[in-house]
Amino acid sequence: GNSVTQMEGPVTLSEEAFLTINCTYTATGYPSLFWYVQYPGEGLQLLLKATKADDKGSNKGFEATYRKETTSFHLEKGSVQVSDSAVYFCALSTSSASKIIFGSGTRLSIRP
Amino acid sequence: DVKVTQSSRYLVKRTGEKVFLECVQDMDHENMFWYRQDPGLGLRLIYFSYDVKMKEKGDIPEGYSVSREKKERFSLILESASTNQTSMYLCASSPPPGVSNQPQHFGDGTRLSIL
Repeated sequence: GNSVTQMEGPVTLSEEAFLTINCTYTATGYPSLFWYVQYPGEGLQLLLKATKADDKGSNKGFEATYRKETTSFHLEKGSVQVSDSAVYFCALSTSSASKIIFGSGTRLSIRP
Repeated sequence: DVKVTQSSRYLVKRTGEKVFLECVQDMDHENMFWYRQDPGLGLRLIYFSYDVKMKEKGDIPEGYSVSREKKERFSLILESASTNQTSMYLCASSPPPGVSNQPQHFGDGTRLSIL
């Protein structure tokens, strides 16, 4: 079946550090891939998405590239800020289903 | 922007009570979802609905029911609340799947405590 595996947290970085959160997936067909972010006390917000191989999603300085050959969708940011502290979820959906499969989430904390 | 509104941010109820959690979306989405979120367990799907009066069980439906009488509103019902249902509950909506898979849009969540 379809599944998403993302690196376990928590991840703690200093401000302006480079961020990578790994995400790999297993899916039949050609899924769409998403990164969601959850700030403290809030629901999930869509951060970025990619719908086909080699697509790059980007938003707020974050990027992720859909790599079909490695079944990965790693989240990166060149210089993190304290305001990026949140929980990040990798997710996938397929064209045949309404449900989205979520990873377990990675908590990110940024030190000033 | 899509707006998904959950009726309460915080709710405290007692064991055995019947609890209603309400969710409304304003984008005419066909699909609506209820999740619970617990530390270390991520998001788990309770129920979803792909049309009015239609519902399907998710991964953890036991102890819950749902109601979708109108397209914009999806209610989660705890028939007899128990302490193990203390959790953060998240509602989401999305259009039906298609050529370009659409993401789900989430409400801010209801933090429910059962005493």
